[in-house]
Amino acid sequence: AIRMTQSPSSLSASTGDRVTITCRASQGISSYLAWYQQKPGKAPKLLIYAASTLQSGVPSRFSGSGSGTDFTLTISCLQSEDFATYYCQQYYSYSTFGQGTKVEIK
Amino acid sequence: QVQLVESGGGLVKPGGSLRLSCAASGFTFSDYYMSWIRQAPGKGLEWVSYISSSGSTIYYADSVKGRFTISRDNAKNSLYLQMNSLRAEDTAVYYCARGCVVAATVFDYWGQGTLVTVSS
Repeated sequence: AIRMTQSPSSLSASTGDRVTITCRASQGISSYLAWYQQKPGKAPKLLIYAASTLQSGVPSRFSGSGSGTDFTLTISCLQSEDFATYYCQQYYSYSTFGQGTKVEIK
Repeated sequence: QVQLVESGGGLVKPGGSLRLSCAASGFTFSDYYMSWIRQAPGKGLEWVSYISSSGSTIYYADSVKGRFTISRDNAKNSLYLQMNSLRAEDTAVYYCARGCVVAATVFDYWGQGTLVTVSS
């Protein structure tokens, strides 16, 4: 099974900061990578798929990049509503999620 | 608007069974792959199973293979998960989710989840 490893596991940031989360796959997955945002008590929300394609309705401050084994999610200017947990997911072979990165208020 | 509403969760003893349901509305259910994804308390997301639009293709995570059965009724716009031989480690919120047109296991809509607790 393909393992997905995110870093960091958590981070503290302030509104307006640029935030980057990385995700590494245990084998090459081309661009079959998605990112989700989850807030406490809520279902996850799809942000990005195909490594860099923004889902409809997602603000442009979110961006994704990478291919093969290394990927990043960037939030260019952190807003208050962006404090949440973020998950990467490979869909090259079935589906595996990373362990999550919690973005907290500094 | 797209809606997915899970039901059927609850408290069950180890070794017991439970059947989850997911009622879909706001889209043509029979056109989409559907999946179950779970999240143990305070933990990350784990994909459990998916089923093709017609029901002819089904896959399971190794952790539930042989114990869980996914099914769908397109006439009723409903997705199901029959869970047998339940273990403590199956305790989780179970979400049903719709697969995207671009990829069956990219999930663009999720239900609110139903909690399954396996405990004696």
